[in-house]
Amino acid sequence: KNQVEQSPQSLIILEGKNCTLQCNYTVSPFSNLRWYKQDTGRGPVSLTIMTFSENTKSNGRYTATLDADTKQSSLHITASQLSDSASYICVVSASAGNNRKLIWGLGTSLAVNP
Amino acid sequence: KAGVTQTPRYLIKTRGQQVTLSCSPISGHRSVSWYQQTPGQGLQFLFEYFSETQRNKGNFPGRFSGRQFSNSRSEMNVSTLELGDSALYLCASSWGRQQGPSETQYFGPGTRLLVL
Repeated sequence: KNQVEQSPQSLIILEGKNCTLQCNYTVSPFSNLRWYKQDTGRGPVSLTIMTFSENTKSNGRYTATLDADTKQSSLHITASQLSDSASYICVVSASAGNNRKLIWGLGTSLAVNP
Repeated sequence: KAGVTQTPRYLIKTRGQQVTLSCSPISGHRSVSWYQQTPGQGLQFLFEYFSETQRNKGNFPGRFSGRQFSNSRSEMNVSTLELGDSALYLCASSWGRQQGPSETQYFGPGTRLLVL
């Protein structure tokens, strides 16, 4: 069964600190993995996307890693800011031919406190 | 370029009623997807429309339906509302030129539906 599991469910950190969010998946056939940021009251916004051959991708203070062998991904946030408070969702795309299916994780809720 | 817009932003209905939600995609985008988001289930895919045709469908009952117009705007309808339909309904648009796995979806702010 295709599944995406994220941990921790929620996280509280102080402004300026770093943090790492985890995403484990069992999806086949794997096509790509994407991290989204969802602010409260808004729709998700894509942060990074990685295919099978990529093991790291950065977007400013956000760095995503992918280990296709262990089927794990992480999202590292450096020097956190108050605006990083949001839900971070991992999405894995399973694709066979023209048939694409997105499997969404439940997200990690991050709170950055001053 | 304007983003994806959804109307209304908030809605309160009672059980048994029906509701219609609207989504205007980014100009030029021809694919519109709808999702239901709840705290316990995360984002659940409802359906995708491309060029006025339903191209993909999730595992939701027939009470959930949609359509797309020639200008790519889309509507979603839920009939005979149930308490469990309370959720954030998100619309996402993309170019849709190919159903590629790497194509980025751009989400609207969502419609918050509360069923009493």
